[in-house]
Amino acid sequence: EVKLVESGGGLVKPGGSLRLSCAASGFTFSSYNMNWVRQPPGKGLEWVSSINTPSDYIYYADSLKGRFTISRDNAKDSLYLQMNSLRVEDTAVYYCVRGGVGAQRIDVFDIWGQGTMLTVSS
Amino acid sequence: QSVLTQPPSASGTPGQRVTISCSGSSSNIGSYTVNWYQHLPGTAPKLLIYSNNQRPSGVPDRFSGSKSGTSASLAISGLQSEDEADYYCAAWDDSLDNWVFGGGAKLTVL
Repeated sequence: EVKLVESGGGLVKPGGSLRLSCAASGFTFSSYNMNWVRQPPGKGLEWVSSINTPSDYIYYADSLKGRFTISRDNAKDSLYLQMNSLRVEDTAVYYCVRGGVGAQRIDVFDIWGQGTMLTVSS
Repeated sequence: QSVLTQPPSASGTPGQRVTISCSGSSSNIGSYTVNWYQHLPGTAPKLLIYSNNQRPSGVPDRFSGSKSGTSASLAISGLQSEDEADYYCAAWDDSLDNWVFGGGAKLTVL
């Protein structure tokens, strides 16, 4: 079964840091682009970041540049999101999402994890 | 304010046909294919339509997509109660070098 399982969410104070992890199984992780997408409470889906298979093409939502860092470990079938200088508006469910095997701009987000909740509050 | 514009809501009665629009620009929909996602609260979003009009395996043919110029549409025919969900369009945006989503349309089956 193709599966993505996120972990690492929780309650963090404004200005704090947290690292989300995503464990992939059931497919050749090293062959696929990967993404993070988030959904703030009561709001819509918002793409966060994308990383290609060798980690040499990385994109971030403009509002997040400089604070978030996406990375992957193909040997461990894992995706990560390091989040620094967290703000209240970063509160959201964060989804790990599988992309495609080609250029990231033609990705199809075909497999989604169940999500992990991040709450940023004092 | 989302880069892709969707109506916030749509509704229909069982058996009806409903369409949800997604309006963008030359830097996103006008240049790239559109994907659609279905999201039921408390669950993981699900790929519904990819490459403008392709259905993944397992998605009923009641769901169809189309694209013209800088706009796209999702059509749902033979509406069923289980179709109640939020629907999002998405496309790559060249000017932002970002993926962009529509704001989402909440479908209510009356």
